[in-house]
Amino acid sequence: EDQVTQSPEALRLQEGESSSLNCSYTVSGLRGLFWYRQDPGKGPEFLFTLYSAGEEKEKERLKATLTKKESFLHITAPKPEDSATYLCAVREDSNYQLIWGAGTKLIIKP
Amino acid sequence: DSGVTQTPKHLITATGQRVTLRCSPRSGDLSVYWYQQSLDQGLQFLIQYYNGEERAKGNILERFSAQQFPDLHSELNLSSLELGDSALYFCASSVEGDTQYFGPGTRLTVL
Repeated sequence: EDQVTQSPEALRLQEGESSSLNCSYTVSGLRGLFWYRQDPGKGPEFLFTLYSAGEEKEKERLKATLTKKESFLHITAPKPEDSATYLCAVREDSNYQLIWGAGTKLIIKP
Repeated sequence: DSGVTQTPKHLITATGQRVTLRCSPRSGDLSVYWYQQSLDQGLQFLIQYYNGEERAKGNILERFSAQQFPDLHSELNLSSLELGDSALYFCASSVEGDTQYFGPGTRLTVL
């Protein structure tokens, strides 16, 4: 069965403490992997799209990487404003729907 | 600002009623997707339209329906509302099959 699993479910860090969020997936053929950030009560905000293993993308304190089985969202020296739920989704070949992970709730303490 | 607009922002109604949520996609996007997110739950895909035609269906109840109009805006109709339908409803749009951009959502409260 195609699925997307995110870990950990929740992560508490001190401001400036770098860490990584994981998104593992099992699909028959990857068409794209998407990272979003969601604040409470708001719509998901697009962060990155990755298409092939080995690809990396960066934006400010965030860096996303992709292998054949998983993606990591690395956060470097986070700030309290980086607190949010981070969602991962996968699109497989021949399917227009995205398969969504349950998200990782990230809390950055000042 | 993603460029996707949704109205209304908030909707409060009673059980058994019918409501319509509206979404305008980003300029140039032909695909519209509808999602439901209940409190502290994940995103549940409901339905996708592409250039006016239904393309994919997810966990959409029979009481719910949607359509996409020639100007590409979309409406989600929810009828015979139940308490459990209270949720955030998001619309997203994309160029076909590519990155989805989400609107701010409509918060529906059924009393």
